[in-house]
Amino acid sequence: GAVVSQHPSWVICKSGTSVKIECRSLDFQATTMFWYRQFPKQSLMLMATSNEGSKATYEQGVEKDKFLINHASLTLSTLTVTSAHPEDSSFYICSARREFYGYTFGSGTRLTVV
Amino acid sequence: SQQGEEDPQALSIQEGENATMNCSYKTSINNLQWYRQNSGRGLVHLILIRSNEREKHSGRLRVTLDTSKKSSSLLITASRAADTASYFCAPIQGAQKLVFGQGTRLTINP
Repeated sequence: GAVVSQHPSWVICKSGTSVKIECRSLDFQATTMFWYRQFPKQSLMLMATSNEGSKATYEQGVEKDKFLINHASLTLSTLTVTSAHPEDSSFYICSARREFYGYTFGSGTRLTVV
Repeated sequence: SQQGEEDPQALSIQEGENATMNCSYKTSINNLQWYRQNSGRGLVHLILIRSNEREKHSGRLRVTLDTSKKSSSLLITASRAADTASYFCAPIQGAQKLVFGQGTRLTINP
């Protein structure tokens, strides 16, 4: 149990376009999800906390207008990278918190902007 | 929320040997969790130890917790090539967001 599905696992897009990444909790309801990005050989950096039915809370230095987060249901949060640029190329990972069970992570999305 | 600091940053051992990595944190916790990340993948939860526990085992994993020293250790016994990964600790107090340190990059040499 406690599976989080992240899709797509990799995506290549052209500079200036937008990319949407989905994070789904498959067998539980997640009122809170988290989005991270990770550069090669570095740790995970928390970008934002996604709350079902309300606005996301962004970490300092993360552009909310560039990284749009929508948590429209208890099982789905999406991260949209708008007007992507090569410097947005990174590994994006979502996580969901399940009450009494802790945190479960998606398998990540490798974004390459060309 | 607080992040744990893993030590060492990198560890390279021979297959079959034991691997020990440490985690330090700053403030009181309810529990501490260890995660593994294989290259290019998400994090996998390994083990959770509560603040009132001193030691916990799961298969080849042994975790200790010393709340007086605000530290934890993860021991992997009889290491295998598949254990090659980065390992992160996450000290938890209440419901909070997880933030991570640099982790320990473990390499198991055949």
